[in-house]
Amino acid sequence: DAGVTQSPTHLIKTRGQQVTLRCSPKSGHDTVSWYQQALGQGPQFIFQYYEEEERQRGNFPDRFSGHQFPNYSSELNVNALLLGDSALYLCASSLRTGLRRSGNTIYFGEGSWLTVV
Amino acid sequence: AQKVTQAQTEISVVEKEDVTLDCVYETRDTTYYLFWYKQPPSGELVFLIRRNSFDEQNEISGRYSWNFQKSTSSFNFTITASQVVDSAVYFCALRSGSARQLTFGSGTQLTVLP
Repeated sequence: DAGVTQSPTHLIKTRGQQVTLRCSPKSGHDTVSWYQQALGQGPQFIFQYYEEEERQRGNFPDRFSGHQFPNYSSELNVNALLLGDSALYLCASSLRTGLRRSGNTIYFGEGSWLTVV
Repeated sequence: AQKVTQAQTEISVVEKEDVTLDCVYETRDTTYYLFWYKQPPSGELVFLIRRNSFDEQNEISGRYSWNFQKSTSSFNFTITASQVVDSAVYFCALRSGSARQLTFGSGTQLTVLP
């Protein structure tokens, strides 16, 4: 049973560039959320996708956008990169119906380390 | 608004000592879920436990135990007989009511010395 997989693992970009990060959810899961974790801090919610639509968004600018594909995989795009975008980007996977029940668990991938120089 | 506070930024213990990581949460919702995750240097958040607001029964899993007290809005995590492999950053998180996201604390860096 494959867990949450993310790519790339590490990448370095130049200020002003654009980046795309990818995530495949855990088998059987249909909901993908993205989090940004700056060094020494807890993860911060960016947005969540379900049924190929953005369902909820955290306090992040429009430079952060995403997409979910019919196979439930997802992409996170960040435009006009700033130095402050350097962080670990984590993808979280869950089952939508389970969010309304007690039995749901949210699983995370290993993350993509983004460095903006 | 939801908030999770992990007041302990760093804890250092010697192997085989017991250690408790504190977590205090704030929410106005009556239905909520609390989580603990472990984050080794590789970055992956490893799920440890989920607790529902309507189930205050404490839980033990091997060397790990969790003490959930709604009266003090706390969900503390104890590692018994700590091992070097327990060294990591531990996060407490809250998902409250109909919110779709997790709200994390700032984490506690646990170092277990041999």
